[in-house]
Amino acid sequence: GQQLNQSPQSMFIQEGEDVSMNCTSSSIFNTWLWYKQDPGEGPVLLIALYKAGELTSNGRLTAQFGITRKDSFLNISASIPSDVGIYFCAGPSNNAGNMLTFGGGTRLMVKP
Amino acid sequence: KAGVTQTPRYLIKTRGQQVTLSCSPISGHRSVSWYQQTPGQGLQFLFEYFSETQRNKGNFPGRFSGRQFSNSRSEMNVSTLELGDSALYLCASSLTVNEKLFFGSGTQLSVL
Repeated sequence: GQQLNQSPQSMFIQEGEDVSMNCTSSSIFNTWLWYKQDPGEGPVLLIALYKAGELTSNGRLTAQFGITRKDSFLNISASIPSDVGIYFCAGPSNNAGNMLTFGGGTRLMVKP
Repeated sequence: KAGVTQTPRYLIKTRGQQVTLSCSPISGHRSVSWYQQTPGQGLQFLFEYFSETQRNKGNFPGRFSGRQFSNSRSEMNVSTLELGDSALYLCASSLTVNEKLFFGSGTQLSVL
């Protein structure tokens, strides 16, 4: 089945630094989604990308849909302590509705 | 507007027992999806329901089943529990299929 490889697995950064994480797949996705999960909570959608090459921002977050449709990256600028959490990329499995394939996640830790 | 509500929040069962988890979607949402989250396998799709009909099913054994009621509320059942079923079970709802997913906080199931 489809798999999403997310890297890095974890990051420990200083407050104020910029962060970059990415997601790659061996198969094409028509939609790329980025979620954040706080401890004890379900994932929350941060950014949705629907077109190859699309670059979308949400506050300090910026995500891009790769031209090949097999990759995506998420950048966080000027990190703050509340950015701590696990970030997941996801895409519709076999491009079918709400049946999402998730990456393994990037655990972000921010040192004040 | 209330979010996705999952009950119970925590559950402890023993091997061989069965369990039923409940999910109330956001008011007006007609699609409900279930996901299993474990440290080893990450987030994996279980099933998706829309208008009381199962639309998609993930690669899980027949011990995992679900249903959706006419008011869009959903339940999932796991019979003959195994230790490996210990996981966070997440429910997500959306207005219809192919729409943004909103996740609940999950039910943490521990099988002893």
